[in-house]
Amino acid sequence: SAVISQKPSRDICQRGTSLTIQCQVDSQVTMMFWYRQQPGQSLTLIATANQGSEATYESGFVIDKFPISRPNLTFSTLTVSNMSPEDSSIYLCSVQGEVYEQYFGPGTRLTVT
Amino acid sequence: DAKTTQPTSMDCAEGRAANLPCNHSTISGNEYVYWYRQIHSQGPQYIIHGLKNNETNEMASLIITEDRKSSTLILPHATLRDTAVYYCIVRVVRTASKLTFGTGTRLQVTL
Repeated sequence: SAVISQKPSRDICQRGTSLTIQCQVDSQVTMMFWYRQQPGQSLTLIATANQGSEATYESGFVIDKFPISRPNLTFSTLTVSNMSPEDSSIYLCSVQGEVYEQYFGPGTRLTVT
Repeated sequence: DAKTTQPTSMDCAEGRAANLPCNHSTISGNEYVYWYRQIHSQGPQYIIHGLKNNETNEMASLIITEDRKSSTLILPHATLRDTAVYYCIVRVVRTASKLTFGTGTRLQVTL
């Protein structure tokens, strides 16, 4: 299994600002995933980040709003841009294991005021 | 990926077996059944997966019916720490395979 850390663990931000969330893995992985979990809801995939290529975004999510970087095989960032209260969610990153299971980070709890 | 149906919530007494059902009647031959759980305020945790045979690991057992249209996750001796939302996910296994989370089953383990 992989051990994943995220920074920050939580933040309170003002609308119109941006926040960059970091995801660090303890081993090299090809695929990383970013999810959003809105209050009381299940997880929704935002994008898949493959090292060395552009991230692939799911329907309803765009690069201008959620730019992703993947500079190496152990690290990725997700930026939530021009935030509004509707962006208040938990943001989670995950990586794929050997039998295509996924391991998740602890999440970043974002509140936009 | 095939759609799954799970009960919204279940209760289980501590020390007893927790049996969590999942219906996936439209499952295809190349789709696997994966189970995850999410303890409050934590990221989801992988539990177990299977294709057609029953599987067991240190966390749980997975029983898949012969026609593969349903499965049951078994926690043999539930503890209070097993209180969580349990997700049954059916998916084709490939490199960039995403997880589609449904609403899951909220398991409450009580004294």
